[in-house]
Amino acid sequence: KNEVEQSPQNLTAQEGEFITINCSYSVGISALHWLQQHPGGGIVSLFMLSSGKKKHGRLIATINIQEKHSSLHITASHPRDSAVYICAVTRTYKYIFGTGTRLKVLA
Amino acid sequence: DAMVIQNPRYQVTQFGKPVTLSCSQTLNHNVMYWYQQKSSQAPKLLFHYYDKDFNNEADTPDNFQSRRPNTSFCFLDIRSPGLGDAAMYLCATSRSTSGRAGEQFFGPGTRLTVL
Repeated sequence: KNEVEQSPQNLTAQEGEFITINCSYSVGISALHWLQQHPGGGIVSLFMLSSGKKKHGRLIATINIQEKHSSLHITASHPRDSAVYICAVTRTYKYIFGTGTRLKVLA
Repeated sequence: DAMVIQNPRYQVTQFGKPVTLSCSQTLNHNVMYWYQQKSSQAPKLLFHYYDKDFNNEADTPDNFQSRRPNTSFCFLDIRSPGLGDAAMYLCATSRSTSGRAGEQFFGPGTRLTVL
C-alpha cells in the first residue's frame, strides 16, 4: 500500500464544474503539498499545508491532520486546469509522492 | 525572478553515449534534488545535495552520478545511457534548516531521448 494515496486517478469534468481531489497519507509528516503538472511540463507548487485551509484564486486546499486527509478543490473549472495534480508529503528532506490525479476539463 | 533553470530542455543521445544535464538556481537554496520521471509515473528521487553533502538513494543505479561545484549549479551525469533511461529529469531546490526540508521548487525538466 502506498504511503500517499490519491483519488480519483482520473477525472473528467465539464467547464464550470466544482472539482474535488482527495489525498490520504499513512505516515507522520511535517507538511503536505499540492502540485500541478501540465503534459510534458515541469511541476508547479500550488499549496504547502501543515494545518487548516488555504485559498488561491479558484483553488482551495484543506488538511485534517487527525484524519491524515487533504482535499484540493477547484471552483468554476476551466479547460486550462487540465493537468495532473499530485499530492506529496514531506518527511525530513524528502517528498513522498502520491500517484497523481489526471484531470481533464472539457469546454 | 528567482528560479530554477534546466538545460537543455530536450536532449537526444545515443545508447551508451555519456550525457550531462544541467541545473542552476538563483534562489540560493542549500538543497538540490534530481528526480527521474517516466510517463504517467510519480517523480523518483535519484539523489540530493544538502549543502555539499551528497545523498544517494539506495536504488539509484551506479550509471547515474552528480556534481555540485557550487551553491547555484548541479549536474546529472549519465555515464552509459540505456533505452530505459529515457525519461523526464527534474531538478528541484529547497531551503532547509535544522534537517527539516522547506518547500521544493522545480525546474521545467529535461526530456531525455535515447536512440
